[in-house]
Amino acid sequence: GESVGLHLPTLSVQEGDNSIINCAYSNSASDYFIWYKQESGKGPQFIIDIRSNMDKRQGQRVTVLLNKTVKHLSLQIAATQPGDSAVYFCAENYGGSQGNLIFGKGTKLSVKP
Amino acid sequence: NAGVTQTPKFRILKIGQSMTLQCTQDMNHNYMYWYRQDPGMGLKLIYYSVGAGITDKGEVPNGYNVSRSTTEDFPLRLELAAPSQTSVYFCASSYGRAAKNIQYFGAGTRLSVL
Repeated sequence: GESVGLHLPTLSVQEGDNSIINCAYSNSASDYFIWYKQESGKGPQFIIDIRSNMDKRQGQRVTVLLNKTVKHLSLQIAATQPGDSAVYFCAENYGGSQGNLIFGKGTKLSVKP
Repeated sequence: NAGVTQTPKFRILKIGQSMTLQCTQDMNHNYMYWYRQDPGMGLKLIYYSVGAGITDKGEVPNGYNVSRSTTEDFPLRLELAAPSQTSVYFCASSYGRAAKNIQYFGAGTRLSVL
């Protein structure tokens, strides 16, 4: 979920378990959503995206679910691995002339071996 | 394929100093962006460009300037550094509009203003 203040919400999972990272978005008119992974000291890296005309999209070991009724997005990671440890951001397009993205504050995923 | 390259990786400035953060991309992307990331926060858009010669303000443009003379380069200028500009700065690029195209990010520039 979204954080308050300086502390990121943290999700701690055991290696091999499935992870679910949640995100509440703000604009009911947003029509494009994207998940990024950011490892320590690196820039954000694209994971998966979804358009508002879809409810679910699958990638390799990842699934994004979109619930427009409650403005909620989730990222599911199957068989979580130590290399999945990172901060995960969701972003939505908020419209405007260029449709720039608004990023959430992120969730820190820690994978225990 | 280098993607998006940012220099320098780290920099310490004194209050009132100026500097330019460099960003270059080799993907022939039209759109480029500058973000700042404060601890525990999401990315905030500073400026963006839709092509050479065209720039526009984002959410937090005060204290910064940009130029886009070529497709490849999009430097960010800090004229009078202030402690509030201590942050990690990321440059990104995309083929088209952010709303429909994946943004690719550089590794970031960590800036401290003391």
